[in-house]
Amino acid sequence: AQSVTQLDSQVPVFEEAPVELRCNYSSSVSVYLFWYVQYPNQGLQLLLKYLSGSTLVKGINGFEAEFNKSQTSFHLRKPSVHISDTAEYFCAVSEGSSNTGKLIFGQGTTLQVKP
Amino acid sequence: DTAVSQTPKYLVTQMGNDKSIKCEQNLGHDTMYWYKQDSKKFLKIMFSYNNKELIINETVPNRFSPKSPDKAHLNLHINSLELGDSAVYFCASSQGSQWPQHFGDGTRLSIL
Repeated sequence: AQSVTQLDSQVPVFEEAPVELRCNYSSSVSVYLFWYVQYPNQGLQLLLKYLSGSTLVKGINGFEAEFNKSQTSFHLRKPSVHISDTAEYFCAVSEGSSNTGKLIFGQGTTLQVKP
Repeated sequence: DTAVSQTPKYLVTQMGNDKSIKCEQNLGHDTMYWYKQDSKKFLKIMFSYNNKELIINETVPNRFSPKSPDKAHLNLHINSLELGDSAVYFCASSQGSQWPQHFGDGTRLSIL
């Protein structure tokens, strides 16, 4: 069975500082990996995805993530955060060979950007 | 134009009632999903339909019944509501299993 662990429940950071949100997954098969962002009272918005190919994936709003198969990680990074990046971030995994598209989510990380 | 829309946005009702949440997507996607987000913000899939056919049915009480009249709509009906049903319910859609899912803004269900 697949599982996703987001290692930090809250990450406080000052504006313009770099940030890394950590995500580890567990799976016995190949996976697709996603990062979603949820702003207050809104649905989830896709930040970026890894399906195959280059392990460094660039997404929207200046975010990027690196797939590390040996460490089963997919950490999200941004070199300089803005106040507007304050939100809940979810890492998710789906089974690569599955035709269901079922997403398994991590517990979420609250990014708090301080002025 | 809203891609995935859910109605209502808020739903406050009493224990024991029956309620429905509607979801529509105008993206032309084949697959639609229902997720439940609990008070700790944990997201868990409930159901998925592909071209009106049920393909995912997680361990969900029988009181929850999804209905897909066509591939652009996936409604969720809940019978005999219980306190533990209080949550935010999200509808999502995707072109196929490999494609990212697009989420609606959620329906916040509160049981009194």
